[in-house]
Amino acid sequence: SQQGEEDPQALSIQEGENATMNCSYKTSINNLQWYRQNSGRGLVHLILIRSNEREKHSGRLRVTLDTSKKSSSLLITASRAADTASYFCATVLNQAGTALIFGKGTTLSVSS
Amino acid sequence: ETGVTQSPTHLIKTRGQQVTLRCSSQSGHNTVSWYQQALGQGPQFIFQYYREEENGRGNFPPRFSGLQFPNYSSELNVNALELDDSALYLCASSPVAGGVQETQYFGPGTRLLVL
Repeated sequence: SQQGEEDPQALSIQEGENATMNCSYKTSINNLQWYRQNSGRGLVHLILIRSNEREKHSGRLRVTLDTSKKSSSLLITASRAADTASYFCATVLNQAGTALIFGKGTTLSVSS
Repeated sequence: ETGVTQSPTHLIKTRGQQVTLRCSSQSGHNTVSWYQQALGQGPQFIFQYYREEENGRGNFPPRFSGLQFPNYSSELNVNALELDDSALYLCASSPVAGGVQETQYFGPGTRLLVL
Protein backbone atom coordinates (compact mmCIF):
# COMPACT_ATOMS: atom_id res chain seq x y z
CA SER A 1 0.00 0.00 0.00
CA GLN A 2 1.14 3.57 -0.61
CA GLN A 3 1.21 6.03 2.23
CA GLY A 4 1.85 9.17 0.25
CA GLU A 5 -0.31 10.80 -2.37
CA GLU A 6 1.03 13.52 -4.62
CA ASP A 7 -1.13 16.23 -6.08
CA PRO A 8 -1.53 17.09 -8.88
CA GLN A 9 -0.87 13.91 -10.85
CA ALA A 10 0.33 16.01 -13.79
CA LEU A 11 1.45 19.61 -14.15
CA SER A 12 2.34 21.57 -17.30
CA ILE A 13 4.00 24.97 -17.09
CA GLN A 14 6.16 27.34 -19.11
CA GLU A 15 9.84 27.92 -18.51
CA GLY A 16 10.38 30.55 -15.86
CA GLU A 17 7.19 29.76 -13.97
CA ASN A 18 7.10 28.20 -10.53
CA ALA A 19 5.90 24.64 -9.99
CA THR A 20 4.29 23.47 -6.77
CA MET A 21 3.64 19.82 -5.93
CA ASN A 22 1.93 18.56 -2.82
CA CYS A 23 2.19 15.34 -0.88
CA SER A 24 -0.15 14.02 1.78
CA TYR A 25 0.53 11.03 4.01
CA LYS A 26 -1.38 8.99 6.54
CA THR A 27 0.75 8.04 9.54
CA SER A 28 3.43 9.63 11.68
CA ILE A 29 6.79 9.93 10.02
CA ASN A 30 10.42 10.31 10.96
CA ASN A 31 11.34 12.10 7.75
CA LEU A 32 9.99 12.86 4.29
CA GLN A 33 12.09 12.88 1.15
CA TRP A 34 11.55 14.13 -2.38
CA TYR A 35 13.01 12.36 -5.39
CA ARG A 36 13.06 13.09 -9.12
CA GLN A 37 12.88 10.48 -11.87
CA ASN A 38 13.68 11.15 -15.51
CA SER A 39 12.09 8.98 -18.20
CA GLY A 40 11.46 5.92 -16.03
CA ARG A 41 15.07 5.56 -14.94
CA GLY A 42 16.70 5.78 -11.52
CA LEU A 43 15.55 8.19 -8.85
CA VAL A 44 17.62 11.17 -7.76
CA HIS A 45 17.38 12.42 -4.19
CA LEU A 46 16.41 16.09 -3.91
CA ILE A 47 15.73 16.98 -0.28
CA LEU A 48 15.16 15.26 3.07
CA ILE A 49 13.11 17.07 5.70
CA ARG A 50 12.78 15.73 9.23
CA SER A 51 9.58 15.69 11.25
CA ASN A 52 10.83 18.49 13.52
CA GLU A 53 11.64 20.77 10.58
CA ARG A 54 9.16 23.02 8.80
CA GLU A 55 11.05 24.25 5.76
CA LYS A 56 14.22 23.50 3.81
CA HIS A 57 15.83 25.04 0.78
CA SER A 58 18.22 23.68 -1.82
CA GLY A 59 19.00 25.91 -4.76
CA ARG A 60 15.73 26.52 -6.61
CA LEU A 61 13.90 23.97 -4.45
CA ARG A 62 11.87 24.76 -1.35
CA VAL A 63 10.20 22.04 0.71
CA THR A 64 7.74 22.59 3.52
CA LEU A 65 6.37 20.09 6.00
CA ASP A 66 3.20 20.42 8.09
CA THR A 67 3.00 17.42 10.41
CA SER A 68 -0.34 18.57 11.85
CA LYS A 69 -1.88 18.30 8.38
CA LYS A 70 0.34 15.38 7.36
CA SER A 71 1.37 17.18 4.22
CA SER A 72 4.42 18.49 2.40
CA SER A 73 4.97 20.67 -0.62
CA LEU A 74 7.81 20.99 -3.12
CA LEU A 75 8.26 24.31 -4.86
CA ILE A 76 10.53 24.62 -7.88
CA THR A 77 11.17 28.25 -8.73
CA ALA A 78 12.02 29.60 -12.19
CA SER A 79 11.44 26.22 -13.86
CA ARG A 80 13.59 25.04 -16.74
CA ALA A 81 12.93 22.50 -19.47
CA ALA A 82 15.46 20.25 -17.75
CA ASP A 83 13.12 20.07 -14.72
CA THR A 84 10.73 17.96 -16.79
CA ALA A 85 10.47 14.71 -14.83
CA SER A 86 8.34 12.79 -12.36
CA TYR A 87 8.59 13.87 -8.74
CA PHE A 88 7.91 11.54 -5.83
CA CYS A 89 7.57 12.09 -2.15
CA ALA A 90 8.72 9.25 0.08
CA THR A 91 8.09 8.87 3.78
CA VAL A 92 10.01 7.02 6.43
CA LEU A 93 7.95 5.83 9.34
CA ASN A 94 9.01 6.30 12.92
CA GLN A 95 11.09 3.85 14.90
CA ALA A 96 13.65 2.17 12.73
CA GLY A 97 11.80 2.43 9.46
CA THR A 98 13.95 0.77 6.85
CA ALA A 99 11.82 1.45 3.80
CA LEU A 100 10.98 4.48 1.76
CA ILE A 101 7.25 4.52 1.10
CA PHE A 102 6.55 6.31 -2.16
CA GLY A 103 3.49 7.99 -3.57
CA LYS A 104 2.45 7.70 -7.20
CA GLY A 105 4.24 10.88 -8.20
CA THR A 106 3.61 14.12 -10.03
CA THR A 107 4.62 14.36 -13.68
CA LEU A 108 5.97 17.82 -14.42
CA SER A 109 6.31 19.08 -17.97
CA VAL A 110 8.13 22.37 -18.55
CA SER A 111 7.92 23.77 -22.05
CA SER A 112 10.19 26.40 -23.54
CA GLU B 1 24.85 10.13 -11.23
CA THR B 2 25.19 7.90 -8.21
CA GLY B 3 27.82 5.18 -7.95
CA VAL B 4 25.14 2.47 -7.94
CA THR B 5 25.15 0.19 -10.95
CA GLN B 6 22.65 -2.47 -12.02
CA SER B 7 22.71 -5.25 -14.56
CA PRO B 8 21.26 -6.07 -16.95
CA THR B 9 19.52 -2.89 -18.12
CA HIS B 10 16.74 -4.78 -19.89
CA LEU B 11 15.53 -8.34 -19.70
CA ILE B 12 12.77 -10.38 -21.33
CA LYS B 13 11.57 -13.60 -19.71
CA THR B 14 8.59 -15.89 -20.08
CA ARG B 15 6.09 -16.78 -17.41
CA GLY B 16 7.33 -19.43 -15.01
CA GLN B 17 11.02 -18.71 -15.55
CA GLN B 18 13.45 -17.45 -12.94
CA VAL B 19 15.49 -14.25 -13.06
CA THR B 20 18.46 -12.79 -11.21
CA LEU B 21 19.13 -9.07 -11.12
CA ARG B 22 22.38 -7.60 -9.85
CA CYS B 23 23.36 -4.42 -8.06
CA SER B 24 26.68 -2.91 -7.03
CA SER B 25 26.33 -0.41 -4.23
CA GLN B 26 28.04 2.93 -3.97
CA SER B 27 31.46 2.80 -2.36
CA GLY B 28 31.23 2.91 1.43
CA HIS B 29 27.55 1.93 1.54
CA ASN B 30 26.73 -1.20 3.52
CA THR B 31 22.98 -1.30 2.94
CA VAL B 32 21.09 -2.21 -0.22
CA SER B 33 17.35 -1.92 -0.81
CA TRP B 34 15.31 -3.21 -3.73
CA TYR B 35 12.17 -1.63 -5.12
CA GLN B 36 9.68 -2.65 -7.82
CA GLN B 37 8.13 0.10 -9.91
CA ALA B 38 5.20 -0.79 -12.15
CA LEU B 39 4.38 1.52 -15.03
CA GLY B 40 2.78 4.74 -13.83
CA GLN B 41 3.26 3.88 -10.17
CA GLY B 42 5.68 4.81 -7.43
CA PRO B 43 8.37 2.36 -6.33
CA GLN B 44 7.29 -0.38 -3.91
CA PHE B 45 9.74 -1.62 -1.27
CA ILE B 46 10.70 -5.28 -1.71
CA PHE B 47 13.40 -5.77 0.93
CA GLN B 48 16.61 -4.39 2.37
CA TYR B 49 19.92 -6.06 3.16
CA TYR B 50 22.42 -4.92 5.76
CA ARG B 51 25.70 -6.75 6.27
CA GLU B 52 24.44 -9.77 4.33
CA GLU B 53 21.25 -10.15 6.39
CA GLU B 54 17.69 -9.24 5.43
CA ASN B 55 16.80 -6.10 7.38
CA GLY B 56 13.19 -5.47 6.44
CA ARG B 57 10.74 -6.76 3.87
CA GLY B 58 7.74 -5.33 2.08
CA ASN B 59 4.58 -7.10 1.01
CA PHE B 60 6.12 -9.42 -1.57
CA PRO B 61 5.78 -13.22 -1.74
CA PRO B 62 8.66 -15.58 -0.86
CA ARG B 63 9.44 -16.17 -4.54
CA PHE B 64 11.17 -12.78 -4.30
CA SER B 65 14.46 -13.45 -2.56
CA GLY B 66 17.79 -11.74 -2.25
CA LEU B 67 21.42 -11.93 -1.29
CA GLN B 68 24.05 -9.50 -0.20
CA PHE B 69 27.73 -10.32 -0.60
CA PRO B 70 30.71 -9.35 1.59
CA ASN B 71 31.54 -6.51 -0.82
CA TYR B 72 27.95 -5.24 -0.24
CA SER B 73 26.80 -5.96 -3.79
CA SER B 74 23.42 -7.63 -4.00
CA GLU B 75 21.19 -9.88 -6.07
CA LEU B 76 17.42 -10.01 -6.42
CA ASN B 77 16.02 -13.37 -7.46
CA VAL B 78 12.47 -13.89 -8.63
CA ASN B 79 11.17 -17.43 -9.16
CA ALA B 80 8.10 -18.58 -11.07
CA LEU B 81 7.74 -15.30 -12.92
CA GLU B 82 4.27 -13.93 -13.43
CA LEU B 83 3.07 -11.37 -15.96
CA ASP B 84 2.56 -8.83 -13.15
CA ASP B 85 6.26 -9.01 -12.33
CA SER B 86 6.90 -6.87 -15.41
CA ALA B 87 8.31 -3.68 -13.97
CA LEU B 88 11.36 -1.52 -13.41
CA TYR B 89 13.46 -2.96 -10.57
CA LEU B 90 15.45 -0.39 -8.69
CA CYS B 91 18.34 -0.94 -6.36
CA ALA B 92 19.35 1.70 -3.83
CA SER B 93 22.28 1.86 -1.45
CA SER B 94 22.77 3.86 1.71
CA PRO B 95 25.53 4.20 4.26
CA VAL B 96 23.63 3.23 7.39
CA ALA B 97 21.02 0.78 8.56
CA GLY B 98 19.57 -0.59 11.72
CA GLY B 99 18.00 2.77 12.35
CA VAL B 100 15.79 5.18 10.54
CA GLN B 101 16.27 5.30 6.80
CA GLU B 102 18.04 8.35 5.48
CA THR B 103 18.85 9.28 1.88
CA GLN B 104 19.06 6.40 -0.57
CA TYR B 105 21.11 6.45 -3.76
CA PHE B 106 19.42 4.73 -6.66
CA GLY B 107 20.82 2.84 -9.62
CA PRO B 108 19.40 3.24 -13.14
CA GLY B 109 17.19 0.17 -12.80
CA THR B 110 16.56 -3.06 -14.67
CA ARG B 111 13.47 -3.18 -16.84
CA LEU B 112 11.97 -6.66 -16.78
CA LEU B 113 9.32 -7.79 -19.23
CA VAL B 114 7.54 -11.08 -18.60
CA LEU B 115 5.72 -12.58 -21.57
